[in-house]
Amino acid sequence: GAVVSQHPSRVICKSGTSVKIECRSLDFQATTMFWYRQFPKQSLMLMATSNEGSKATYEQGVEKDKFLINHASLTLSTLTVTSAHPEDSSFYICSALRGRGAYEQYFGPGTRLTVT
Amino acid sequence: DAKTTQPPSMDCAEGRAANLPCNHSTISGNEYVYWYRQIHSQGPQYIIHGLKNNETNEMASLIITEDRKSSTLILPHATLRDTAVYYCIVRDNQAGTALIFGKGTTLSVSS
Repeated sequence: GAVVSQHPSRVICKSGTSVKIECRSLDFQATTMFWYRQFPKQSLMLMATSNEGSKATYEQGVEKDKFLINHASLTLSTLTVTSAHPEDSSFYICSALRGRGAYEQYFGPGTRLTVT
Repeated sequence: DAKTTQPPSMDCAEGRAANLPCNHSTISGNEYVYWYRQIHSQGPQYIIHGLKNNETNEMASLIITEDRKSSTLILPHATLRDTAVYYCIVRDNQAGTALIFGKGTTLSVSS
């Protein structure tokens, strides 16, 4: 099956700093990747859709200047949480669509962000 | 995407079949039914999907009613490792659209 990795798996940072999370499709090309956020005991919430070589599309209520998404290659998308605050502490999960015109969506293992 | 309704929680004894229901009464003709599960602190795992016919794979079976307004995911012999949150999602397989997750069903398998 298709594999999606995330790095780091967990990170702790101080309030006011920025954190970058990487999402890689290891054995396939992904023109489209998605970023989700999940708070404790809640479901996954879609944050943004990232297409290779173009600007990300953010869901309503998600600040694009706070959550910077870059999808510079067909196998890598990054999410940067800028000026992180404790309320940004969450489980961030990326997902990738395999190939063009694809609907098979594969998920990464998630990144646990804790802002102190 | 059409919304789904699932019971918030279910219990199952180890070795027994787990039958997880899902209502999707507003599903449209070109929308598929997907099932994913999420074990604590991990990313979601694909289980199975279908359009109108029943489907079976090595993990589970998916039974879709003839009117497509509901479905049931069947884990034939539940194990402790099947304890997870199970999500039923309906989605048009239009390229580029993300899966939208509801609240899911927390399945607890006990010995």
